[in-house]
Amino acid sequence: DVKVTQSSRYLVKRTGEKVFLECVQDMDHENMFWYRQDPGLGLRLIYFSYDVKMKEKGDIPEGYSVSREKKERFSLILESASTNQTSMYLCASSFGGALNEQFFGPGTRLTVL
Amino acid sequence: AQKVTQAQTEISVVEKEDVTLDCVYETRDTTYYLFWYKQPPSGELVFLIRRNSFDEQNEISGRYSWNFQKSTSSFNFTITASQVVDSAVYFCALSEARTGANNLFFGTGTRLTVIP
Repeated sequence: DVKVTQSSRYLVKRTGEKVFLECVQDMDHENMFWYRQDPGLGLRLIYFSYDVKMKEKGDIPEGYSVSREKKERFSLILESASTNQTSMYLCASSFGGALNEQFFGPGTRLTVL
Repeated sequence: AQKVTQAQTEISVVEKEDVTLDCVYETRDTTYYLFWYKQPPSGELVFLIRRNSFDEQNEISGRYSWNFQKSTSSFNFTITASQVVDSAVYFCALSEARTGANNLFFGTGTRLTVIP
């Protein structure tokens, strides 16, 4: 079975802190994605990556950056956390191509105080 | 413009009732893929089904069935004889082949509550 793991289920940080969210997949997927999920807004794509050291902006990249140094790991970085970044963050991975489904991790619920 | 619309925000049904979750999509591509995901209270999205734009056959899997109609740009999901374990948020999503990628456009989700 595909396994996508995220470093924390719950995280509480203070405004201005630098926050790292880690995601690891074990199925040799080329693609990895970071979404945030907010009530009434569904899932919105923050960043995605098609390969190691490669990244592309999604719909809402402002305030975020990413890093993919190894194929299995994709990190989301909040350079200076703000209260409006309080949200559920979901990581996903997949093989390339529009027909392939994405496999999701359990999510990290981040609260910024 | 929203590519995937799930007009039903929340639905409540009594156990054993049938329920249909609506999904309407918008795309100019001739080749595209539609997906349904389930998000139970644990939070992890679970893939349920994928359809490609050239296959309009309805699909049935146990108590689940999907009705894909290109004429109305809809991909609706029906649960027959609902059970409490079906309580979850359900997302419909679209990917477009012309982008060469599998970026998914998600609807806003429908929260289904099955009352025992």
